[in-house]
Amino acid sequence: EAQVTQNPRYLITVTGKKLTVTCSQNMNHEYMSWYRQDPGLGLRQIYYSMNVEVTDKGDVPEGYKVSRKEKRNFPLILESPSPNQTSLYFCASSLLDGPQETQYFGPGTRLLVL
Amino acid sequence: GQNIDQPTEMTATEGAIVQINCTYQTSGFNGLFWYQQHAGEAPTFLSYNVLDGLEEKGRFSSFLSRSKGYSYLLLKELQMKDSASYLCAVRDRGGSYIPTFGRGTSLIVHP
Repeated sequence: EAQVTQNPRYLITVTGKKLTVTCSQNMNHEYMSWYRQDPGLGLRQIYYSMNVEVTDKGDVPEGYKVSRKEKRNFPLILESPSPNQTSLYFCASSLLDGPQETQYFGPGTRLLVL
Repeated sequence: GQNIDQPTEMTATEGAIVQINCTYQTSGFNGLFWYQQHAGEAPTFLSYNVLDGLEEKGRFSSFLSRSKGYSYLLLKELQMKDSASYLCAVRDRGGSYIPTFGRGTSLIVHP
């Protein structure tokens, strides 16, 4: 089954404790991205990657890091989480096929930083 | 920068047709997406328009007019399960893959 998986789905942590949210897709997609969704602000892109070893900042990259060492995985790293990073996070992947594009989202990770 | 506007909330009756509008102002244009998102769940891709005109997929259709900076999502034969938030997102600048999302339209379908 074609899917995007994220782990963990729920996480409560404390300020300053490094954490990683994993994202994996089994569709051999080139393009992957991370979003956060906050009430009243909608979905905002954090980082994206157009292929292995190619990553770039989205609209709200501060406080986050990513890596793309292999095509299927795109982890999101919070080196020193702060309460303003409490949010719902989504990973997405898509296949760039000329003018058409289909984007798939993971199930989401709900993060609470105390 | 970009500005994307869509109505905050709409209501409709089961079996009816509803049109959700999205207007955008961008410095360039490289495609417009529509997503459906049920409460507490991930967005689900509905459509991607990069050329003007209407694209139909079953009960859902999406229309784009690039000259007017305007798109709509048309839902026919509404079902209760269509109650969800509908997100419009625009990607600007050729070569950049950063889509900007509108705040979503919450659609409530009642019997």
